Amino acid sequence: GENVEQHPSTLSVQEGDSAVIKCTYSDSASNYFPWYKQELGKRPQLIIDIRSNVGEKKDQRIAVTLNKTAKHFSLHITETQPEDSAVYFCAATRPEYGNKLVFGAGTILRVKS
Amino acid sequence: DGGITQSPKYLFRKEGQNVTLSCEQNLNHDAMYWYRQDPGQGLRLIYYSQIVNDFQKGDIAEGYSVSREKKESFPLTVTSAQKNPTAFYLCASSPLGGETQYFGPGTRLLVL
Repeated sequence: GENVEQHPSTLSVQEGDSAVIKCTYSDSASNYFPWYKQELGKRPQLIIDIRSNVGEKKDQRIAVTLNKTAKHFSLHITETQPEDSAVYFCAATRPEYGNKLVFGAGTILRVKS
Repeated sequence: DGGITQSPKYLFRKEGQNVTLSCEQNLNHDAMYWYRQDPGQGLRLIYYSQIVNDFQKGDIAEGYSVSREKKESFPLTVTSAQKNPTAFYLCASSPLGGETQYFGPGTRLLVL
């Protein structure tokens, strides 16, 4: 089955700097890769996703890149703000899994002002 | 995500007791999921259901049971066989054939 590894486990950046979180997956047939943001005690919320037929997707300060050959995908946050502080999870799935998401262990992002 | 509700927000379980967590959605989604989240860890799948009256075990189904009698509802029972139930439980739903999952606000289960 699919296995997703996420790095780093914690990340501290200065406000205004960029943050990058990386995930690797094991199943080359996986074709959907969402990123979720979870604030303390709250529900995970989808912030961006990418499908395997696309190499990069951007939404304002957030971007995701996918390298199918290397089986890794990354979340990029530019011009970080204190409200970006949260736990970020990556995930992967393919239709044959019934769209079951396999999650990474999460990255705690702290933006210092 | 506002169309998925979970209750209660906090739940206390006594030793040997079964407890049931509620999950309801009004998004007309076919698929529903239950995840467990432990501190500092990712989400692990307990059970999922793609259609009414059908469900499958996830990665950590032991000590849990579910039912799917209605499209809108997917309750999770934490049985006495689950020896370490303290966790944050999240319910999610997605349209049939859609990959994106939307989460409910979660239930925090604590053992007395």
